[in-house]
Amino acid sequence: EPEVTQTPSHQVTQMGQEVILRCVPISNHLYFYWYRQILGQKVEFLVSFYNNEISEKSEIFDDQFSVERPDGSNFTLKIRSTKLEDSAMYFCASSVSIDEQFFGPGTRLTVL
Amino acid sequence: GQQVMQIPQYQHVQEGEDFTTYCNSSTTLSNIQWYKQRPGGHPVFLIQLVKSGEVKKQKRLTFQFGEAKKNSSLHITATQTTDVGTYFCAGPVRGSTLGRLYFGRGTQLTVWP
Repeated sequence: EPEVTQTPSHQVTQMGQEVILRCVPISNHLYFYWYRQILGQKVEFLVSFYNNEISEKSEIFDDQFSVERPDGSNFTLKIRSTKLEDSAMYFCASSVSIDEQFFGPGTRLTVL
Repeated sequence: GQQVMQIPQYQHVQEGEDFTTYCNSSTTLSNIQWYKQRPGGHPVFLIQLVKSGEVKKQKRLTFQFGEAKKNSSLHITATQTTDVGTYFCAGPVRGSTLGRLYFGRGTQLTVWP
């Protein structure tokens, strides 16, 4: 069964460093999303991407964040200068339409 | 802003007991989706309800969507240890075409054997 994959599974970085989280959505999906989940809390929307551009972003997704779909298969989230409060599990998701979303296994980001 | 609330936050039951979690949105939703997240796992889609008053069943799970499309519930009959996890409701606001999901805080279910 097709699934969303994410790499790395765990990323440790120093505050102020840039990180890139990678995702490979399911191949025939058209909508792509990034969410994050701080330990023990709810899943929070960051950004959605459709037709090669951002369709919506939340207030969390400030100018330190960016997304790209560089080659038609990968979907990346970049955090330019990480802060301690960016530590969280980051989930990529994809969907055929705006309905059922398929989540990847997540990347645990730890900022020291 | 848009908020989705879920209660209870935690529920501990003996295997065989029933379980219900309730979800309430501050605004009308286009649909309601339910996800299950096992400990250490990622959210996995369970079901989507679209119509006002809709009820859907999946084996021991019964999902309801309220008449005003602002609340929903998930009921599990005769829980099993495999039901352990956190159950989230989520939905896009009415009229949204962009797919953003607003998640509730989730109900963490523990089942004692």
